[in-house]
Amino acid sequence: AQTVTQSQPEMSVQEAETVTLSCTYDTSESDYYLFWYKQPPSRQMILVIRQEAYKQQNATENRFSVNFQKAAKSFSLKISDSQLGDAAMYFCAYRAWGSNYQLIWGAGTKLIIKP
Amino acid sequence: ETGVTQSPTHLIKTRGQQVTLRCSSQSGHNTVSWYQQALGQGPQFIFQYYREEENGRGNFPPRFSGLQFPNYSSELNVNALELDDSALYLCASSTGTDREQYFGPGTRLTVT
Repeated sequence: AQTVTQSQPEMSVQEAETVTLSCTYDTSESDYYLFWYKQPPSRQMILVIRQEAYKQQNATENRFSVNFQKAAKSFSLKISDSQLGDAAMYFCAYRAWGSNYQLIWGAGTKLIIKP
Repeated sequence: ETGVTQSPTHLIKTRGQQVTLRCSSQSGHNTVSWYQQALGQGPQFIFQYYREEENGRGNFPPRFSGLQFPNYSSELNVNALELDDSALYLCASSTGTDREQYFGPGTRLTVT
């Protein structure tokens, strides 16, 4: 069975600095998607960035980028120039390519931004 | 904010009771997925509905059931509530079973 592990329950960073959130996963599949979602306090879960496993190039969305290491089954999220609005729970998620398109989630990392 | 809405926002029920949670999908979306998020944990997939049919189910007992209507809105029903059912229930809609999911704000269910 596929699993997703986030080993950092909480991280803090000074405003304007860079922080990296870690995620590892386990799967025997070769084709899949990986995601980072953000869940602000009492607000909706939103997609931050996604990565297709067949793509070697790391995905980037403005200040957010990933380091995807397929062989190591590692998928970290780097947030540059951290802003107060980045404070939230961040979840790493996996989805297999194929039937039953459920997302499998990590336990989340709480990101605190220090002003 | 996404166009996905959920009702009610909060709900308190007693063990053994039944509950119905509702989700209105974003315009143009035909797929709804439901997740249970216990406090301090990541969401767990309950099931997915595509064009009014169940398209996949996670490791949840049959007392968790669902429905999707012709307008693609959806309901989650839970019978014989247990204390461990206390959680945030999220629904997410998408334009297809393998498309990006857009989440609603969730329904906080407390079972006492």
